[in-house]
Amino acid sequence: EVQLVQSGGGLVQPGGSLRLSCVASGFTFSSYWMSWVRQAPGKGLEWVANIKEDGSEKYYVDFVKGRFSISRDNAKNSLYLQMNSLTAEDTAVYYCAREGVWGQGTTVIVSS
Amino acid sequence: DIQMTQSPSTLSASVGDRVTITCRASQSIHIWLAWYQQKPGKAPKLLIYDASTLESGVPSRFSGSGSGTEFTLTISSLQPDDFATYYCQQYHLNFGQGTKLEIK
Repeated sequence: EVQLVQSGGGLVQPGGSLRLSCVASGFTFSSYWMSWVRQAPGKGLEWVANIKEDGSEKYYVDFVKGRFSISRDNAKNSLYLQMNSLTAEDTAVYYCAREGVWGQGTTVIVSS
Repeated sequence: DIQMTQSPSTLSASVGDRVTITCRASQSIHIWLAWYQQKPGKAPKLLIYDASTLESGVPSRFSGSGSGTEFTLTISSLQPDDFATYYCQQYHLNFGQGTKLEIK
């Protein structure tokens, strides 16, 4: 079965850091671009970052540049999102995704 | 950056209606567009990829068309399960703002 299983969300204070993980199974992970997408409460889907199959190219939406870092480990079929300098506006459900396949989502709450 | 503009933001319709949602890209994205359906508390579900290719298992009442900067998603005869929010997305990049399909 093709699936993405996420972990790593939670409650963090403003200015804090969090690392999200996403483990892929059922497909050749190293053959796909991967993305992180988020959805703030009551809002639409918002693309955050993506990474090329071999990790050689990475792109970010403007409001996370310099704060978030996407990475992957193809040997572990894993995708990561390191989030630093978090603010309340980063509160959202975060999804990892490839074409047509999404993780279950993980909630990040930034609050004191 | 290429911006994706979706319309309408809300659409009220009845079971059996034919509805169309439009997505416009600020510059050409060829056919690199997907349509998703999302229900509350759930991850998005892929409906259409490459602008017009129906994902396996998706009912044939869903169809997509367009290329370049103008795209449409059409549901030919609304079913109760179709009331949800729909998003277009340039592959691995920006989403449209979403269209909430409500029961009239």
